[in-house]
Amino acid sequence: NAGVMQNPRHLVRRRGQEARLRCSPMKGHSHVYWYRQLPEEGLKFMVYLQKENIIDESGMPKERFSAEFPKEGPSILRIQQVVRGDSAAYFCASSPPLGEQFFGPGTRLTVL
Amino acid sequence: GENVEQHPSTLSVQEGDSAVIKCTYSDSASNYFPWYKQELGKRPQLIIDIRSNVGEKKDQRIAVTLNKTAKHFSLHITETQPEDSAVYFCAASIKNTGNQFYFGTGTSLTVIP
Repeated sequence: NAGVMQNPRHLVRRRGQEARLRCSPMKGHSHVYWYRQLPEEGLKFMVYLQKENIIDESGMPKERFSAEFPKEGPSILRIQQVVRGDSAAYFCASSPPLGEQFFGPGTRLTVL
Repeated sequence: GENVEQHPSTLSVQEGDSAVIKCTYSDSASNYFPWYKQELGKRPQLIIDIRSNVGEKKDQRIAVTLNKTAKHFSLHITETQPEDSAVYFCAASIKNTGNQFYFGTGTSLTVIP
C-alpha cells in the first residue's frame, strides 16, 4: 500500500508564473488536506477537501490560491502569479473519514 | 478558529535525560491531539496521539498528558537518544466535525550525546 504521494518534490518558478502541486492520497482515503510550512516555521492548515468538494478553505489565501480534488485523479493545489513569499514546503495529508492523517513527502516550491 | 501555542521553541537535553514539550489550545471543542515528529527535510510523522476522554497515554519512552480543564497537553520523552533529535509539533482538531489540524509552531529538540 503506497503512502501519500506528492509531485513534484521540488518546483522552481519565476515570479508571475503558475505553480501546480499534486497529491495522490493513500488507497482508500477520501479526505485530503493541504498545509504550508514556511522556512523555520510550523505547519499552517490551508484547505480540506473530499472528492469533488471543498469542506473547509478557511486557511487558504483568498486570491491566487485554489484547490480541487476531482472524482478521478490527484488533488491539485494551484498557485497563480506566484510571488517570493509563496516559497515554502507544501504538504498534503490524507485520511479516511475522521481517521489518522498521513503526510506526503512535501513539495518544496522556490520562487525566483 | 483554534489557536495552538507550543513551548519551548528549542530544547537541548543530554542523552538519557527527559524532555518535556508543552502546548495549549483555545477551542474547548477540540477533542483530538496528535504529536508529530519531523526530521530535517522529511515529512511529519505521527508519534503519539490522545483523545479528550483520556488523561494520559504512554507508548514505550513517549507519553502524552492532557488537562482538558486547563486546555493544555504535554509530550514527555524519557531516556532520550540522539535519534530523538528532530522538530516536534503538537496539533489540535475537532474530530467529529472536521478533521483539519491546527499545529503549534514546533519545538526543535537536540539530544546531546
